[in-house]
Amino acid sequence: GDSVTQMEGPVTLSEEAFLTINCTYTATGYPSLFWYVQYPGEGLQLLLKATKADDKGSNKGFEATYRKETTSFHLEKGSVQVSDSAVYFCALSDLDSSGTYKYIFGTGTRLKVLA
Amino acid sequence: DTAVSQTPKYLVTQMGNDKSIKCEQNLGHDTMYWYKQDSKKFLKIMFSYNNKELIINETVPNRFSPKSPDKAHLNLHINSLELGDSAVYFCASSQDAFLQRSGNTIYFGEGSWLTVV
Repeated sequence: GDSVTQMEGPVTLSEEAFLTINCTYTATGYPSLFWYVQYPGEGLQLLLKATKADDKGSNKGFEATYRKETTSFHLEKGSVQVSDSAVYFCALSDLDSSGTYKYIFGTGTRLKVLA
Repeated sequence: DTAVSQTPKYLVTQMGNDKSIKCEQNLGHDTMYWYKQDSKKFLKIMFSYNNKELIINETVPNRFSPKSPDKAHLNLHINSLELGDSAVYFCASSQDAFLQRSGNTIYFGEGSWLTVV
């Protein structure tokens, strides 16, 4: 079945450091890929998405490129801020055998940014 | 405007009790979900409804029963609560689980923190 694997955290960075959170996936179909962010005490919010190969999703300085050849969707940001401290979830949406689009979430990566 | 709202946000209750969590979405979406997030932040789908019909029912104890009176509401009833039920429960919605629609983004509520003592 489909799965999403993302790097284990926590990831601790100093402010203005470069961020990469790795995400790879396996899928039987042609999935859409997502990054969601969860700030402390809140629900998950969509950060960015990409629906086809070579698409780049971007938002709030974060970027991720849909790489079909390496089945990856790594999240990057050039200069992190303390306010980026949160848990980041990689996810995919793919058609399953019942004819519905099912979401699969990774286990989440906690990011802590120090001032 | 809150797109997906769920109540209560915090719930502390004793083992053996029965409790409900309510969820409403004002996005006009056809599909709604319940997810459970454990203390390690792992997110697991429990149920999904499309236009009031159950479409996803993962391996969940039958003490958990979802009810969808209309496509804008999906409530979760939990009977005979156990310590292991302590978690954060998220309600969510998406436009239509049967159509990809440019990625079919899921919108989450803010969560209901359930503590069973």
